[in-house]
Amino acid sequence: SQTIHQWPATLVQPVGSPLSLECTVEGTSNPNLYWYRQAAGRGLQLLFYSVGIGQISSEVPQNLSASRPQDRQFILSSKKLLLSDSGFYLCAWSRGAGDYGYTFGSGTRLTVV
Amino acid sequence: LAKTTQPISMDSYEGQEVNITCSHNNIATNDYITWYQQFPSQGPRFIIQGYKTKVTNEVASLFIPADRKSSTLSLPRVSLSDTAVYYCLVGPMDSSYKLIFGSGTRLLVRP
Repeated sequence: SQTIHQWPATLVQPVGSPLSLECTVEGTSNPNLYWYRQAAGRGLQLLFYSVGIGQISSEVPQNLSASRPQDRQFILSSKKLLLSDSGFYLCAWSRGAGDYGYTFGSGTRLTVV
Repeated sequence: LAKTTQPISMDSYEGQEVNITCSHNNIATNDYITWYQQFPSQGPRFIIQGYKTKVTNEVASLFIPADRKSSTLSLPRVSLSDTAVYYCLVGPMDSSYKLIFGSGTRLLVRP
């Protein structure tokens, strides 16, 4: 069966510090991968998606970036965090076109102080 | 993706049937209707998907009228653990590279 792992679960970082969140998927190959963010009391915002290694599409311009160094690994990064980067970050995967049954990770709650 | 409109919030009591309606007036011929459930501090979870008429699984039923301009998610005999945000999404099955979530419906189930 397929599983998705996301870590860390919680993170407190000072303004201006770097960020690296990692997400890995097991039990499938060539998944579509996604990063979402949910600010407190708000809806889910799609940040990045990837349909293959090295292929990243950005949905919202910001100081975040994403990379996909391996087929089942998706990394969300920032060189310098802002207060507005605080939120609940979720990684998800799907089989691609025709698959609306996304599976989400357990999320990372990031607080920038 | 088609724009969807759903109530911001709903209240119910344990044991009642809850129906959440989603409007999608500009749904396209090749669009499907998908519902997700999100508990606090968790990622959304796929509940059900349909194209027309009625779909039922172990969690919910989805009713879609003939004109497909709306859909209703039906949760039978809700419990406190059904308190969550429910999202309605509409889009084509042939290019589902990215799900765009709206604000959803916040369901509160009371004892």
